[in-house]
Amino acid sequence: EAGVVQSPRYKIIEKKQPVAFWCNPISGHNTLYWYLQNLGQGPELLIRYENEEAVDDSQLPKDRFSAERLKGVDSTLKIQPAELGDSAVYLCASSLGAGVEDTQYFGPGTRLTVL
Amino acid sequence: GNSVTQMEGPVTLSEEAFLTINCTYTATGYPSLFWYVQYPGEGLQLLLKATKADDKGSNKGFEATYRKETTSFHLEKGSVQVSDSAVYFCALNDYKLSFGAGTTVTVRA
Repeated sequence: EAGVVQSPRYKIIEKKQPVAFWCNPISGHNTLYWYLQNLGQGPELLIRYENEEAVDDSQLPKDRFSAERLKGVDSTLKIQPAELGDSAVYLCASSLGAGVEDTQYFGPGTRLTVL
Repeated sequence: GNSVTQMEGPVTLSEEAFLTINCTYTATGYPSLFWYVQYPGEGLQLLLKATKADDKGSNKGFEATYRKETTSFHLEKGSVQVSDSAVYFCALNDYKLSFGAGTTVTVRA
């Protein structure tokens, strides 16, 4: 079974430029998550989707970040415009359900460098 | 709010040594607890989990027991190998996954 797929794996951009990350979850997983991981820290949740609905976006900086999950399958996370402080690894994860016992499976991440 | 505190690293061990990584948590509900591992150059992988008090999760020789009375979920392995070198993350899920800062473990031959 294929795992969570993310692209690109690496992205280098100039500040103020836009950038987008793509994620395809494990087939059949209704719940999708985007996390931000800074160097030397654990991941922090940005947004959680159940099917196509964003049910928790309280940690998403909505002035520059946006996300969508059309048709409830794959998802895109966008930053516009990017700032130097956005340099980090962006992780996508998926789970079968949204219960506390459900395991989240992570993709390899996209490492963003903003110059 | 919920939080996870885990032992700071880095931790350096010799092969066949005993490994313990301490993890304590604060939660208002009844969370599930997880250990994830990140090998060099790879993504986060589930190592083991426990969904209720007194449950023991185990995988690849690693074990952790969900202790509600001490709010802990310490990770242990009796005899580590070089291939266990990685970053280990403790996490709790109370409808939102909260991670500790990670502990870097290096095992020397």
